[in-house]
Amino acid sequence: EVVLRQSPATLSVSLGERATLSCRASLSFSSNLAWYQQKPGQAPRLLIYAASTRATGIPARFSGSGSGTEFTLTISSLQSEDFAVYYCQQYNKWPPMYTFGQGTKLEIK
Amino acid sequence: QVTLRESGPALVKPTQTLTLTCTFSGFSLSTREMCVTWIRQPPGKALEWLARIDWDDDKYYRTSLKTRLTISKDTSKNQVVLTMTNVDPVDTATYYCARTTKKLYYFDYWGQGTLVTVSS
Repeated sequence: EVVLRQSPATLSVSLGERATLSCRASLSFSSNLAWYQQKPGQAPRLLIYAASTRATGIPARFSGSGSGTEFTLTISSLQSEDFAVYYCQQYNKWPPMYTFGQGTKLEIK
Repeated sequence: QVTLRESGPALVKPTQTLTLTCTFSGFSLSTREMCVTWIRQPPGKALEWLARIDWDDDKYYRTSLKTRLTISKDTSKNQVVLTMTNVDPVDTATYYCARTTKKLYYFDYWGQGTLVTVSS
C-alpha cells in the first residue's frame, strides 16, 4: 500500500508570496495524483488532478507538478482565501484503494 | 448541478451499527462508469477512504475495515447507504460521500459531511 507523506506539516507564508507544498509517495506510481483544499468546517475541494491539471474553476495561481514519487503543489501568489489545509491523494487501481496524505496546513505569516 | 448530501445519526453508542445515507442529484448511478464513495475524517485528522460502489454494483472496501462495512445503492432513489457495525469511539469522524468514476481516480464532487460521534 502506498503511503503519502506531505511536508511541511505547517507552512507559514505571507500574502502575495509563493507557497510550495510537497507530497512524497513510498512507492512510484503513475501520475494519478490529486490535490484538495479544505477550509474549516467545509468539505475538501478538488484543485488538481493527473498531477498537473487544474480542476474546473480553479485559479491559475494553483499549479501541480511531479511524477514517480515526488509531487508538488505551488500557489504562486497567496490570497487570503488560500489559507487552508491541503491534501494529496493517489489511487491504486487494483484492488481499488484511495490514499490521502496527512495534510499541510497553510497559514498566514 | 451535482449535489450530494449525507444524513444519519449524530450520536451512536459503542458496539452499535451506524447507518449513513448519501442522497445525490445531478447524476445517476445507473450511468456507466459512475461511482460513489464514502470518506471519513476524524476531528483534526486526515481523510480516510472507506468504500466505493459502482454503477454495476461492484463494491470495494478499505482493507482494514472490510469486515465491518457494507455499501449498497438504491438507484431509483439516488441513494447510497453505508453501514458500519460494532462502532467504537475511534470511529468518531465527519463522514463524507463523494462522486468519482471507474476511469477517474479523484473525487470531483463532495457532500458537506455529517459528524458522527461514538460515545456512551
